[in-house]
Amino acid sequence: GQNIDQPTEMTATEGAIVQINCTYQTSGFNGLFWYQQHAGEAPTFLSYNVLDGLEEKGRFSSFLSRSKGYSYLLLKELQMKDSASYLCAVSAYSGAGSYQLTFGKGTKLSVIP
Amino acid sequence: GAGVSQSPRYKVAKRGQDVALRCDPISGHVSLFWYQQALGQGPEFLTYFQNEAQLDKSGLPSDRFFAERPEGSVSTLKIQRTQQEDSAVYLCASSLEAVSYNEQFFGPGTRLTVL
Repeated sequence: GQNIDQPTEMTATEGAIVQINCTYQTSGFNGLFWYQQHAGEAPTFLSYNVLDGLEEKGRFSSFLSRSKGYSYLLLKELQMKDSASYLCAVSAYSGAGSYQLTFGKGTKLSVIP
Repeated sequence: GAGVSQSPRYKVAKRGQDVALRCDPISGHVSLFWYQQALGQGPEFLTYFQNEAQLDKSGLPSDRFFAERPEGSVSTLKIQRTQQEDSAVYLCASSLEAVSYNEQFFGPGTRLTVL
C-alpha cells in the first residue's frame, strides 16, 4: 500500500519562500508529482520527479530523495495567487494495467500580505 | 485546445436515487481516470480506462459504482442507490499515454450532494 504525509496547513508572507514537505512509503515507486488546487477548481500539474535531485521551473522547484522517501516543493517570491492546496502524489504501477496516483491529503497554503 | 470537461458541475440527489456523471477527456488521450475527493482530502483513485478497456476498478467503493467508456473517449460514472457517504467531488482526469511520467489533466469535477 501507499502512505503519504504532508502538513495540513501553512502560512507564509507575500514575497517570501516556503517549502512544503512530503514523505511517502510505497511499493513500486514510479515517480512523484506535485499538483496545485485552488478551492473549487481542478488540480493542475506543477512538477514530476523520478530521479533524485532538484527540478527547477520558474518560481517553483521540486526535490526528491528516493532513499529517504522524501520530497519537497519550494515556492519562491510568493504571490497572493499562490494561496491554494498543494497535493503530493506518488505514481506506482498497480499491477492491473495502470500507473496509479496516490495523493496525500494536501497542504493548504495561505499567503498573507 | 479544450481541456477535460465534466457535467453536471453540481448534482443534488435524494438518498436512493441513481446518478450519472459525464467526463469528456482531451481528444486523443488514451488513459482516463476517475477519482473521488472528499472535503479537505486529496483525490482517491476509483477506476482506470485505457481506451475503452476498464483495466483497473480496484478503487470503486461498492458494487453500486459503475463506470464505462464504450468508444474510448467519453466516460460515464454511474452511482446507483446513492447514499449520504457518496457526497463528494468526483474528478475525471486524462493522460496522453499509459506511462508513469505522463501528467494527468483534471476536469473541474462534479460536486455530488446526497440528501
